[in-house]
Amino acid sequence: EVQLLDSGGGLVQPGGSLRLSCAASGFTFSSYAMSWVRQAPGKGLEWVAAITGGSISIYYTDSVKGRFTISRDNSKNTLYLQMNSLRAEDTATYYCAKSKPPWAARVNDYWGQGTLVTVSS
Amino acid sequence: QSALTQPASVSGSPGQSITISCTGTTSDVGGYNYVSWYQQHPGKAPKLIIYDVSNRPSGVSNRFSGSKSGNTASLTISGLQAEDEADYYCSSCTTSSTLGVFGGGTKLTVL
Repeated sequence: EVQLLDSGGGLVQPGGSLRLSCAASGFTFSSYAMSWVRQAPGKGLEWVAAITGGSISIYYTDSVKGRFTISRDNSKNTLYLQMNSLRAEDTATYYCAKSKPPWAARVNDYWGQGTLVTVSS
Repeated sequence: QSALTQPASVSGSPGQSITISCTGTTSDVGGYNYVSWYQQHPGKAPKLIIYDVSNRPSGVSNRFSGSKSGNTASLTISGLQAEDEADYYCSSCTTSSTLGVFGGGTKLTVL
């Protein structure tokens, strides 16, 4: 059974940093692209970042470029999102998601439960 | 503003059928057969219900079906049930981004 367990969210001041983690199990983690998708309170879904299985290709939405870093440790079956210079508009529930091949289709077939990030003073 | 346009809300009575539209452009919905749909109940993670326009993942009810015509994709739910009450999001790949794009979401109310 595929399982994705998101963690690392919390309350952080503007300008602060936070690292999210996503522990994966039930599939060959290194074979699949993974993504982070966020959802601001009461709002829709927004793709934040993605990384291919071997970390060869990495993608970001424009609003987080230069501030967020997606990475993965295939030996630990874990996906990360390092978030620096956080802003109030980054407040959201962050979901990790597993991609359904091919990556070109941009389909996420399994999602974590989400972890809430609140940026506020 | 979302790249894909969905109605904010739709409603239907139990047993009826409803359709949710998802309108994009030739750069996304119209240019690829890579439209997917997600169901999200309050406080829960999204769940994939349709991929590649009309394919259902294993375990998803055949009451859910997808289609596409030009730049508009559609999700149809037949035989509405109370448990179908949720938010629904469409998604597509796009030439405008290296990531995918989502619609703004549609709240389905089962009357």
